Amino acid sequence: QTVVTQEPSLSVSPGGTATLTCASSTGAVTSAYHPNWVQQKPGQAPRALIYSTNNKQSWTPARFSGSLLGGRAALTLSGVQPEDEADYYCLLYVGGAWVFGGGTKLTVL
Amino acid sequence: EVQLVQSGAEVKKPGESLKISCKGSGNSFASYWIAWVRQTPGKGLEWMGSIRPDDSDTRYSPSFQGQVTISADKPTLIAYLQWNSLKASDTAMYYCATYYYHSAGYGFDDWGQGTLVTASS
Repeated sequence: QTVVTQEPSLSVSPGGTATLTCASSTGAVTSAYHPNWVQQKPGQAPRALIYSTNNKQSWTPARFSGSLLGGRAALTLSGVQPEDEADYYCLLYVGGAWVFGGGTKLTVL
Repeated sequence: EVQLVQSGAEVKKPGESLKISCKGSGNSFASYWIAWVRQTPGKGLEWMGSIRPDDSDTRYSPSFQGQVTISADKPTLIAYLQWNSLKASDTAMYYCATYYYHSAGYGFDDWGQGTLVTASS
């Protein structure tokens, strides 16, 4: 069964840049995996941020961007704000099934 | 954009059956895929399976195949997640979410507010 791996945690200072990555046990992540990123704050439902590698939802702030980086999907936050503190999950489409990564807890301090 | 409203929290005993729902709105709901996602306390998200109400095409994660049943009623725009015999380990928050093929690829869009299921004797 496919395993999708993310950094368990990341810390960043306000105004800084954070890059979260998402790797697949099947090999390099490509656009064919339709990488999606969702954000979840404590006590809230997840919220979609990025789909198909680098496409933003209409509500996604401009400081969020998606890409492919060194065989992984990546989510970059440029100019991090305190309200960006949350859990971030990537989601890959692998062999007809969706697989979530374990999530990255982003701390803004 | 699709609005998703899930049914309320449930408290059941192990062995009991349960069906929770996710009601959509908007003309496009039937043609979207509806995914069910589990989140156990303090843990991450797991895709359980998906259904497309338009034709009832249904896919299951191998981890959940045979453990739950996903269904949908197109006329009422409701998707369902059902257990025939709950286990204590089914205690979790369950979310529904829509996704469809945008011009650039598949994208998850809207999420329901979640349904908390507690299975305890």
